[in-house]
Amino acid sequence: QKEVEQDPGPLSVPEGAIVSLNCTYSNSAFQYFMWYRQYSRKGPELLMYTYSSGNKEDGRFTAQVDKSSKYISLFIRDSQPSDSATYLCAMSGVGGSNYKLTFGKGTLLTVNP
Amino acid sequence: DSGVTQTPKHLITATGQRVTLRCSPRSGDLSVYWYQQSLDQGLQFLIQYYNGEERAKGNILERFSAQQFPDLHSELNLSSLELGDSALYFCASSVNSGSIEQYFGPGTRLTVT
Repeated sequence: QKEVEQDPGPLSVPEGAIVSLNCTYSNSAFQYFMWYRQYSRKGPELLMYTYSSGNKEDGRFTAQVDKSSKYISLFIRDSQPSDSATYLCAMSGVGGSNYKLTFGKGTLLTVNP
Repeated sequence: DSGVTQTPKHLITATGQRVTLRCSPRSGDLSVYWYQQSLDQGLQFLIQYYNGEERAKGNILERFSAQQFPDLHSELNLSSLELGDSALYFCASSVNSGSIEQYFGPGTRLTVT
């Protein structure tokens, strides 16, 4: 079992839809939970991160972490064609080398105008 | 633009050869990370350097090595290349060793023929 599992999609939605992206994980030591966006032929870009459980909102993006279920989500409201990209979840522990990031394989999202 | 630069953008080489990938971190960042991204494995952490010293190791093969120089740029050396080494190689940087906010460069696409 991989430490981080992410449905690769692809996911195709119409413009304006609410998008839900998810990851599950198995390592209880993970404390930081991140979402990266990667456009085609570009490097990953950090969207937002959360420490431990709870929700975090940034504009149209909301990240949720449920540590009891080892499940994290990213919601995108009012999705736009410019949101079309691969979304990667990433996780890390704390202290020493535990800060290294473990990534999901990414979900390819297409928002159709 | 993340401020992290990587050269070259593309590299095509033959099996058994050796290549060097170069990364310059964002101004002020002391930590450099190397990642490998392939279709089957996703984005995987290879190694981290902080202010010239190795800080953490991930799934880095013995044929691969890295270093960080006094001016903080880093090089990833890949030797005895195999077809399976074909991938995107990303460098990321952060302010310090324990920061989970990592900024990725545009990547080097390596093709081994």
